[in-house]
Parts: sequence; structure tokens; C-alpha cells
Amino acid sequence: EAGVVQSPRYKIIEKKQPVAFWCNPISGHNTLYWYLQNLGQGPELLIRYENEEAVDDSQLPKDRFSAERLKGVDSTLKIQPAELGDSAVYLCASSLGDPGANVLTFGAGSRLTVL
Amino acid sequence: GQQLNQSPQSMFIQEGEDVSMNCTSSSIFNTWLWYKQEPGEGPVLLIALYKAGELTSNGRLTAQFGITRKDSFLNISASIPSDVGIYFCASLRWNNDMRFGAGTRLTVKP
Repeated sequence: EAGVVQSPRYKIIEKKQPVAFWCNPISGHNTLYWYLQNLGQGPELLIRYENEEAVDDSQLPKDRFSAERLKGVDSTLKIQPAELGDSAVYLCASSLGDPGANVLTFGAGSRLTVL
Repeated sequence: GQQLNQSPQSMFIQEGEDVSMNCTSSSIFNTWLWYKQEPGEGPVLLIALYKAGELTSNGRLTAQFGITRKDSFLNISASIPSDVGIYFCASLRWNNDMRFGAGTRLTVKP
């Protein structure tokens, strides 16, 4: 079974440029998460989807970040314009969403460097 | 949101030694998870705990869900070089809101 697939794995851009990350979750996983991970820190939640609905986007900086999951499967996370402080790893995770046994499976992440 | 306090921040141990790390919070959770992350990869699940007081093992790893539902610990016995990595605790509330600790960086000297 394929795991959570993310692309690109690495992206280097200049500040003020746009960037987009793509995530394909595990088949059948209704819940999809985007996390931000700064160097030496734990993942921090940006947004959580239940199917197509963004049920928790309270930590998403909406002035420059946007996300979508149009058909309840793949998701994209966009930053426009990027700032130096956005350099980090962006992790996507998915789960069945069963509150009694919810386990997140992570992708390998997309490492962003903003110059 | 709720904050998870994970300690220690880092550990330097000799191969063969046992390791213990823990996570605490002021909030009550339904699930505690322990993940390991290696360089350039996403976190990988080690152990999941679903009930207060639950003690679960996975090979040389043992984790417990505290009876107050506000803490958890992870033990690694007889450490080996491939145990090197960053270990994260994660907690889950009833609404699928999952948060992570800051991680424990483990270094194992052969």
C-alpha cells in the first residue's frame, strides 16, 4: 500500500515568490492534516480537513497561506508571497479519522528554503 | 492550544543503555502516540495508547498512558545505534485535534 505522497521534496525560492505543495493521502483516509515543522521543533498544525471540509484552520496564516482539498482526496498548500521565515518542512498526514483509534501517517515532507 | 511538555530535550547515551522520556500536559487526552523521526523523513508511528493506565510494548519499546490522562512515557531498553533520531509524543483530543511535543533528540554512542 502506498503511503502518504508529497511533492516536491525540496523547493528553493526567493522571497515574495509563490510556492505550492501537493499531498496525496492514503486511500480511504478521510482526515488530512498539514503541519509546519521548524528545525529542532515538533510539527505544528496548520490545517485539518475532514473530507473536503477544513474543520480546523485556526493556525493557518490566512494572509499568505491557503489550502484546498476539492474532492476530499488530494490537497494543496500554497504560500503567496513567501517570506524568509517560511523556510521549514511542510508535512502532510492522513488518518481514517476514527476518534477511537486515530493514527496519523505522515509523508516525507516538503522542505522549503526561502532566500 | 494545549501545550505538551516533552523531556528531556536531548539525550546522549552509550549503546546498551536504557532510555526514558516523557510527556506531560495540563489537559486531558483520549490518545497518546509516540513517533520517531529520522533526518529527511516524516515521523513514523512507534506506539499508540488509547486508555488511561495502558502499558504497551513494541519490541524494545514500552510506553504507558498515565492514569490521569495528562501524561505518557516511552522507554527504550538496550539501545542500539539505529535508535538514533528524534522522538515525539503526540496527543489527541476527542475531535481529532492532534498536537506534538517538541521532541527528544537521542544520540547513541557505539
